[in-house]
Amino acid sequence: GEQVEQRPPHLSVREGDSAVITCTYTDPNSYYFFWYKQEPGASLQLLMKVFSSTEINEGQGFTVLLNKKDKRLSLNLTAAHPGDSAAYFCAVGGSALGRLHFGAGTQLIVIP
Amino acid sequence: DAGVTQTPRHEVAEKGQTIILKCEPVSGHNDLFWYRQTKIQGLELLSYFRSKSLMEDGGAFKDRFKAEMLNSSFSTLKIQPTEPKDSAVYLCASSLAVDKNTEVFFGKGTRLTVV
Repeated sequence: GEQVEQRPPHLSVREGDSAVITCTYTDPNSYYFFWYKQEPGASLQLLMKVFSSTEINEGQGFTVLLNKKDKRLSLNLTAAHPGDSAAYFCAVGGSALGRLHFGAGTQLIVIP
Repeated sequence: DAGVTQTPRHEVAEKGQTIILKCEPVSGHNDLFWYRQTKIQGLELLSYFRSKSLMEDGGAFKDRFKAEMLNSSFSTLKIQPTEPKDSAVYLCASSLAVDKNTEVFFGKGTRLTVV
């Protein structure tokens, strides 16, 4: 079945620096992807939904890149601020059963 | 606009007890998921329902974990008997149709502590 590997598990950056989180997946038939943000004590909130036909997706303060050839999905926060401190999870879908496979998560700390 | 509602938010159980966690999905959603979240294992799928039918249950959890969906707007997760290693946050999530690339909405979770 699908295997999703997320790196790094922990990431500390200074305010204003960029932060990059990467997920690799194994199923070449996967065709939809999500990034979720989880703040301390809260549940997962959708950050971005990615369609397989779009390689670059831009949000407010971040960019998501999808490389289907390498089966890699990345989240790039361009100028991190303390409010970005949270856990981030990628999720990959498209299998016959339709359910999502989650990465193990990245704990991001942005130092003021 | 009600999202996914989980009760209780916190549960403390003694080893060997039976506990039941509850979930109300977003109205109209067809897919419902139960996940267990721990720092070590991350998000682990416990059960997946589509239109009230059980599509998948995590093999490792079949023994003491049983999820049910008696109607389209209510699901329960029973853990019987509880063990200290079950201490975790249990998340319920729903989606209109996850294989159609619709968003999966998560509840706030139930934090279970087994002593």
